[in-house]
Parts: sequence; structure tokens; C-alpha cells
Amino acid sequence: EDQVTQSPEALRLQEGESSSLNCSYTVSGLRGLFWYRQDPGKGPEFLFTLYSAGEEKEKERLKATLTKKESFLHITAPKPEDSATYLCAVQYLYNTDKLIFGTGTRLQVFP
Amino acid sequence: DAMVIQNPRYQVTQFGKPVTLSCSQTLNHNVMYWYQQKSSQAPKLLFHYYDKDFNNEADTPDNFQSRRPNTSFCFLDIRSPGLGDAAMYLCATRVGVGGKYTEAFFGQGTRLTVV
Repeated sequence: EDQVTQSPEALRLQEGESSSLNCSYTVSGLRGLFWYRQDPGKGPEFLFTLYSAGEEKEKERLKATLTKKESFLHITAPKPEDSATYLCAVQYLYNTDKLIFGTGTRLQVFP
Repeated sequence: DAMVIQNPRYQVTQFGKPVTLSCSQTLNHNVMYWYQQKSSQAPKLLFHYYDKDFNNEADTPDNFQSRRPNTSFCFLDIRSPGLGDAAMYLCATRVGVGGKYTEAFFGQGTRLTVV
């Protein structure tokens, strides 16, 4: 069964304390991996798309990287406004239309 | 400015009473998805459309139906809601052409409560 696993489930950081979130997937043949941010009671907001191993994308304090079996979302010097749930979604080559989501990492950044 | 609009934002329905959730988009995207998301869980794909082609997930209950009368609109019908159907329902759209796909854009969701 296709699986997307995110870790940790929850993460509490002090403002300015950098860390990384992990997204691992079980099946080879990746078409694309997507990172989203979701605030409570809202729909996911797109952050990054990664297509091939070695690719990196950056936006403000966030940087996403991709290997052949996992992706990392690095958060540098986070601020309280970065608090949210971060979701990754995978699209496989053999199942082109579907986006399969992980359970997310719930990030809390304290001042 | 909203590009994927879900109505209503909050819906309260009675146990067993049919309910319809709607999604509209101004992006002219050909692929549309319906996801169910329960508290602290991953969004779970219910079905999706590629143009007019409907794709139902194997584990989507028969209680859930969908219609897409045109590119812009998509509906989720729950024929006989049970307490277990209380969740956030998310609609998403994207472009898929020739094996190439854009990122998916999500609406704000409809929070369904069953009483």
C-alpha cells in the first residue's frame, strides 16, 4: 500500500531554534512531492514542489530538499507565525492523478 | 481573489439527512479532488475528476457521491450522513496535461457536523 510518513508528529520550537521535518515515501517512481502548510480550520496552502533527487527549493525561512526516498523541510530561525501543520503529498508515476498525503507535522513556535 | 471556493464553510446536518457540499473554481483547472480530513489526520482522497472522467477510490463509502456538471463546479453528496462522516471536506484543483501537473490549489474547506 502506498504510504507517506511524516515525522515528528509534533514539534515545539523556541523562536530562532532551527529544525527539520521529514517526509518519507515507500514506493519508487516519484512524479512529484509537494509541501503544504495548513492553519487550523483552513485548507492547505501550497509551499513547494520537488521533482527529482537533489532538488532544493527555498522560500523565506523554509527550505525543502528531496532524496530518492524522503524529503526534508528545513526551518531556519522560525518565528511564531510559522506555527502550523506542515503536510507533504506525493504523486507517483504509475498513478498520475492522485495526491497522497502524509499525516503532517504540527509545529508550534514559542516566543 | 479566492480561486477555489467551497460553500458553505460550516454545515450542520442531521443524522441520515442528505447533504450537498459545493466547490467552484475560477482557475479553469481540469483536475478536481475531494478529500475528507478528520482531526489530526491526513487528508483522505475520496474521488477525483480528470476532465469529465470520474475516479472513485476503492474505499470511499457508497454513501458518498459526486457530480461535476462543468469545469467550474463540483459537488459532494452525502446520501445518509452518519456520525463518522463529521469532518472537514476539502476541494482541490490543478492542471494535468500530457503527464505534467501543477501544484494543487485548495479551498478553505467545509466543516461538516452531524447531529
